[in-house]
This record gives sequence, structure tokens and C-alpha cells, in this order.
Amino acid sequence: DIVMTQSPDSLAVSLGERATINCKSSQSVLYSSNNMNYLTWYQQKPGQPPKLLIYWASTRQSGVPDRFSGSGSGTDFTLTISSLQAEDVAVYYCQQYYNLPYTFGQGTKLEIK
Amino acid sequence: EVQLVESGGGLVQPGGSLKLSCAASGFTFSNFAVTWVRQAPGKGLEWVSSITGSGDTTYYADSVKGRFTISRDSSKSTLYLQMNSLRAEDTAVYYCAKDVESGSQGFFDYWGQGTLVTVSS
Repeated sequence: DIVMTQSPDSLAVSLGERATINCKSSQSVLYSSNNMNYLTWYQQKPGQPPKLLIYWASTRQSGVPDRFSGSGSGTDFTLTISSLQAEDVAVYYCQQYYNLPYTFGQGTKLEIK
Repeated sequence: EVQLVESGGGLVQPGGSLKLSCAASGFTFSNFAVTWVRQAPGKGLEWVSSITGSGDTTYYADSVKGRFTISRDSSKSTLYLQMNSLRAEDTAVYYCAKDVESGSQGFFDYWGQGTLVTVSS
């Protein structure tokens, strides 16, 4: 199984500042035949289901604000929120879909400082 | 508007059975794979099982293989999860989620609100 490890486990950032969450996979999730990274990011607010933010490591889902961006390739990925808003308080998960079983990171809790 | 509504959760004793349902609307159900993902109280997300749009291929996590069965009824636009031989560690909120393609791409653009399964004596 591919193990997904996120860092940090929790993060406190001031409103308007940048937030950065890292995700590392135990093996590459870059598929050489199409040069695509099989990595997605979800946001989960308290009491709600996860919401898809980013797929193919860097493609923003329709309707997601452009302050959210994804980057990285191979085994190392980053979710960046360029200017933190109050509504961004949530737990963020990365997930690989390179192979089964699909696996998630342990989550990063983002709070306001 | 895409909607996924889970039902069937509840309290069950260890070794017991439960069948979850997920009623889908707002999209052509048979055109997309669907998946169950669970979340134990206060914990992270765990993929449980997926089924392709045609229903002819199913996938399971090792933790549930042989105990859980995923199925779908396209005439009712409904996804099911039959859970047998339940264990305390199966206690979780179970979410159904829509895949982005028929063959199970592996990421999920719509999720239900979840149904809680508690396994306890």
C-alpha cells in the first residue's frame, strides 16, 4: 500500500497570510505514460463531508477559490492557501489514486492564529 | 444538483450485520463508479470499497474483504454496502462518494453527509 504522510499535523496561520501543507507518498504517484500525478486534496469542515479541492495534483475543482493551489510531483506535494480566510478553517487531506487501495494522509488541521 | 443520501446506519452488536444504502440523484448513476469511504470518530478517512458504473467490477480494502459486499441498483440509482461479521473497529461514519468516471478513477467529486455505524455490545 502507498502510505501518505502529511506535515504538519496542525497549523495556525493569521488571516491573510499564506498556509502551506505538505504531503509525501511512500512511492511515486506519477504515471509515466501520461505524466500525470495521481494525487488529490480534500477539505473537511467540522460536521461536514470532505470536499474536493484539487486533483491531478494541481487542477483546481470547479468553484474552488483561486487562493487554493496544488503543486509537486512524484512523491512530494504541497497545498497552498495564498491568503487565509476564516472559512478555510478545516482539516485537509491528500489522497493518492495511483493504485488500490486508495489511501489518504492522516490530515492537517488548519486554524486561525 | 448532485445529491447522495446515505441511510441504514445504527447500533449493532459485534458479529452482527447491517446494510447501508446511498440514494443518488442529479446525475446519470450508471455512468459513474461509486465508493464507500469511512471515518472513525475523531480519525481520518479510509477508503472501503468501490464499484464501477456497470457494476461488473468491485474493489475492497483488505480490512473489509470477505465481510463487506458492495452493490448497486441502477434502476433505483442506489448504492449498497452489506456489512457482515461487524467488529468494533468498523465503527465509523460511512460516506458514499461519486467517482469522476465510470471505471473508478479513484477520486471523488461529490460526497453524501454520511451515516454512523456503531458496533458495540
